[in-house]
Amino acid sequence: DAGVIQSPRHEVTEMGQEVTLRCKPISGHNSLFWYRQTMMRGLELLIYFNNNVPIDDSGMPEDRFSAKMPNASFSTLKIQPSEPRDSAVYFCASSPSKNGDYGYTFGSGTRLTVV
Amino acid sequence: AQSVTQLGSHVSVSEGALVLLRCNYSSSVPPYLFWYVQYPNQGLQLLLKYTSAATLVKGINGFEAEFKKSETSFHLTKPSAHMSDAAEYFCAVTAHGSGNTGKLIFGQGTTLQVKP
Repeated sequence: DAGVIQSPRHEVTEMGQEVTLRCKPISGHNSLFWYRQTMMRGLELLIYFNNNVPIDDSGMPEDRFSAKMPNASFSTLKIQPSEPRDSAVYFCASSPSKNGDYGYTFGSGTRLTVV
Repeated sequence: AQSVTQLGSHVSVSEGALVLLRCNYSSSVPPYLFWYVQYPNQGLQLLLKYTSAATLVKGINGFEAEFKKSETSFHLTKPSAHMSDAAEYFCAVTAHGSGNTGKLIFGQGTTLQVKP
């Protein structure tokens, strides 16, 4: 099992540009989560999906952020336009259960720097 | 709603000493509780979990945690610290039963420093 795969590992972009982060969950996991980690705010849940359907996007900070899960093996988080305050590490995680009792498996994260 | 409070953002111990990282939770329904560890430049890794079976839970790398409902606590311990234990540790909670959404709520994290 390759685990949760995120790409790219690092992204440096200029303010105003579109950024797309990608995630491949573990095969068979039906829940997928996007988190953002910063020193100031810690780990923030942005959005999560169950069976490819968005369940809760209340953590998405602004309309500039959007997430999709077109199929069970792929999800994207897009920021358009990007701003310096979006600089953070973005984690994707997946879980085999709907109710969280197995916990999550996290990817290695994407470190985003917006200059 | 659920929440987690980790007491102490930084904990420093000597190698070989007891490790104690504190976590208190708030939940209106029976919780599931977790401890995760994050090494520099890596994702979070599950250490152990409590899901309403035994109240003393053993995890990887010699860590364990005890669920105490009366104290709403789930503190993480290890009898003897090793240099490789230096990392950031996160406590997390979710609800089980009809109130469960599968969403984990994380604490702010505790950085463990291990001195030689």
